[in-house]
Amino acid sequence: SQKIEQNSEALNIQEGKTATLTCNYTNYSPAYLQWYRQDPGRGPVFLLLIRENEKEKRKERLKVTFDTTLKQSLFHITASQPADSATYLCALYTGTASKLTFGTGTRLQVTL
Amino acid sequence: DVKVTQSSRYLVKRTGEKVFLECVQDMDHENMFWYRQDPGLGLRLIYFSYDVKMKEKGDIPEGYSVSREKKERFSLILESASTNQTSMYLCASSFGGGLNEKLFFGSGTQLSVL
Repeated sequence: SQKIEQNSEALNIQEGKTATLTCNYTNYSPAYLQWYRQDPGRGPVFLLLIRENEKEKRKERLKVTFDTTLKQSLFHITASQPADSATYLCALYTGTASKLTFGTGTRLQVTL
Repeated sequence: DVKVTQSSRYLVKRTGEKVFLECVQDMDHENMFWYRQDPGLGLRLIYFSYDVKMKEKGDIPEGYSVSREKKERFSLILESASTNQTSMYLCASSFGGGLNEKLFFGSGTQLSVL
């Protein structure tokens, strides 16, 4: 079955450093991969989408890479701030076109 | 901005009760979804709908049913609530069914079944 794995342990980093979160998937070849942010008690919010033929995508302090050979996406936040503290989820369409499957998410904590 | 509104933030029900969770979106989206989120298990798809009166089972449909009588409204029904249905329920919508469609989520309903 398809698996989408994210590091379940929280990632703690110091303000100003770059945070790197990992998403690995198996048994599927997605054309697109998405990243979402979720704050406690709230629904996820879409951040970025990357296509299989894009190696890298940037949006302000965010950068996403997509390696279809390794079946891995990396999500980077540069110059991290305490306001970046949240859980970050990766997601991709599996099976039918309408079915978006999520990883379990990685909680990021940025400290002063 | 797209708004997805879930009727309740917190809900406490008793075992065996029939529970309705309501979701409304205001952007004329074709697709609507119900997920549940549990610690360590992440988001799991219960049901989705790609058109009025149409529904498809997700990964964990057992114990749930859905209703979509109008395009903007998608209801999740727990016919006889059980304690293992205590969870955060998240409704989402998307414009269409393409592989690049992003989802817009509501704020969630934290359901406790006692």
